[in-house]
Amino acid sequence: NAGVTQTPKFRILKIGQSMTLQCTQDMNHNYMYWYRQDPGMGLKLIYYSVGAGITDKGEVPNGYNVSRSTTEDFPLRLELAAPSQTSVYFCASSPGFYNEKLFFGSGTQLSVL
Amino acid sequence: SQELEQSPQSLIVQEGKNLTINCTSSKTLYGLYWYKQKYGEGLIFLMMLQKGGEEKSHEKITAKLDEKKQQSSLHITASQPSHAGIYLCGADARGNTPLVFGKGTRLSVIA
Repeated sequence: NAGVTQTPKFRILKIGQSMTLQCTQDMNHNYMYWYRQDPGMGLKLIYYSVGAGITDKGEVPNGYNVSRSTTEDFPLRLELAAPSQTSVYFCASSPGFYNEKLFFGSGTQLSVL
Repeated sequence: SQELEQSPQSLIVQEGKNLTINCTSSKTLYGLYWYKQKYGEGLIFLMMLQKGGEEKSHEKITAKLDEKKQQSSLHITASQPSHAGIYLCGADARGNTPLVFGKGTRLSVIA
């Protein structure tokens, strides 16, 4: 039972480069999320989606883009990487919002140098 | 916006000792969630509390939500090295929004 799978686990980017963080889930969850975790700062919501074709901004969306063409996949795109985007990124999914726990991937550690 | 304050920020306890982590909100919560994160890994769900005064236990971990649904505590009895990690509380203030998380409490358990 795979759950939520994120790739890659680690990545180093140069300033201005682009990349896509992949996230896929096999639990048929409608809701998916991207969070970033900075040291000592907890988790901040970047984007979320309540179903295929529907996405919405979270607390810190600037510098990122997402798409949700299928129920399973929710990729996060960084267009012009900046040092401020150095962080650990977590993808998560849930059946809904209310009274539903989140299932998390193992994270992607990204460094922008 | 919803904010959750966790205390303490970090905690070092001797194996076998009890400890408590707190999570406080300025707003009434629809649900309060506790997660644990092992270093370098994703978050694992521990418990969810919904009703004022609710208390849940799993093995040696007990979580409580106060009557006003604004404060929760996580209590670990007889701590073990396996309890080490970062504990985060998450909450939904409106019942229809993504979870907001506290900054986490880093727990170390020493022999």
